[in-house]
Amino acid sequence: EIVLTQSPATLSLFPGERANLSCRASQSVSRYLAWYQQKPGQAPRLLIYDASNRATGIPARFSGSGSGTDFTLTISSLEPEDFAVYYCQQRSNWPPLTFGGGTKVEIK
Amino acid sequence: EVQMLESGGGLVQPGGSLRLSCADSGFTFSTYAMSWVRQAPGKGLVWVSGISGSGDSTYYADSVKGRFTISRDNSKNTLYLQMNSLRAEDTAVYYCAKWNNWFDYWGQGTLVTVSS
Repeated sequence: EIVLTQSPATLSLFPGERANLSCRASQSVSRYLAWYQQKPGQAPRLLIYDASNRATGIPARFSGSGSGTDFTLTISSLEPEDFAVYYCQQRSNWPPLTFGGGTKVEIK
Repeated sequence: EVQMLESGGGLVQPGGSLRLSCADSGFTFSTYAMSWVRQAPGKGLVWVSGISGSGDSTYYADSVKGRFTISRDNSKNTLYLQMNSLRAEDTAVYYCAKWNNWFDYWGQGTLVTVSS
């Protein structure tokens, strides 16, 4: 099973600041990695797929990078609606499909 | 517009059974694989089970293998999860999710609580 480790667990930032979220895989997943955003009481929403492609309707301030074992989700300038929990997920080697433990982006 | 509506959650005693449903619309249901993903209170996302578009192939997390059964009725555009021998650690919100190489649409979730 591929384990995804996200860091930091919590990121405290001001609106307008840049956010860099990390996801590290226990073995190479090539570029088969996605990022999801989840707000309290809501279902997750797909943000980024195949490491760097924005899903439909996702603003350009969200970007993804990386390949192999190290990936980054960047939010260039945080908007109030971006404060949420973010999960990475791999589909390189499954079952099982696996998710990271999540990074909470909170308002400082 | 894609819509996915889960139902069937509730309170059940340990060892009991429950069947979840996910009624889908707005896309050609039989074309897409589907999955169930759960989230224990205050915890992260965990994939539970998946099924191919035709229903011929099914996949399970080790934690539910032998206890849960995923199925689908393409004539009714509905996904199911039969959960038997439920344990306290199965307590979670269960989401159905459409698989298009990624989980591109999710239902709103249904809460399953296993407690005596």
